[in-house]
Amino acid sequence: QVQLVESGGGVVQPGRSLRLSCAASGFTFSNSAMHWVRQAPGKGLEWVAVISYDGTNKYYADSVKGRFTFSRDNIKNTLYLQMNSLRREDTAVYYCVREGGSYFTRLDYWGQGTLVTVSS
Amino acid sequence: QSALTQPASVSGSPGQSITISCTGTSSDVGGYNYVSWYQQHSDTAPKLIIYDVTNRPSGVSNRFSGSKSGNTASLTISGLQAEDEADYYCASKTSSTTLGVFGTGTRVTVL
Repeated sequence: QVQLVESGGGVVQPGRSLRLSCAASGFTFSNSAMHWVRQAPGKGLEWVAVISYDGTNKYYADSVKGRFTFSRDNIKNTLYLQMNSLRREDTAVYYCVREGGSYFTRLDYWGQGTLVTVSS
Repeated sequence: QSALTQPASVSGSPGQSITISCTGTSSDVGGYNYVSWYQQHSDTAPKLIIYDVTNRPSGVSNRFSGSKSGNTASLTISGLQAEDEADYYCASKTSSTTLGVFGTGTRVTVL
């Protein structure tokens, strides 16, 4: 069965960096575009970024553009989200999500999420 | 890209039907047949329940149905059950560089 397992969350000071990982299994990882979606405490879902199946195309929300970098390793079946210049408003649970169709048509499998807290 | 607009809360009694609206623009909901809906129970990850406006993934109850008219999409839950109490989010592909947008979310309460 499809499994997405995020890791790397934690408490980090404003302005510092953090890298999230997402280990995928149970499907042909190299065939699927993948997303990061976040949810601030008590708030709604916010799309963060998407990466194409081969890593050549990446799109970002305006709120993270220039600070976050999305990458993937199709040998290790792993996604990475490098988050730099973190702000308090980046505090959220970050979900790794599989795209089951074309971009943003069907987010069909979600990880359990990893909590990032930006605080001094 | 602004979030799609949903009512903050909707409630109903067991067995009743409820409908959640999701209003966007011609650049998102109105421009594509790519509206999806997600159910999120407390402290769990969201789950896809509707995609491409009307389609249900395998294993999702047929009590959930989706539709769209113009710039507004809707999710209907028929035969409301206690287990349906959750937050519901719509999402749509968009023509903007962000590719997609979520709705503001709706809390469903079963009375």
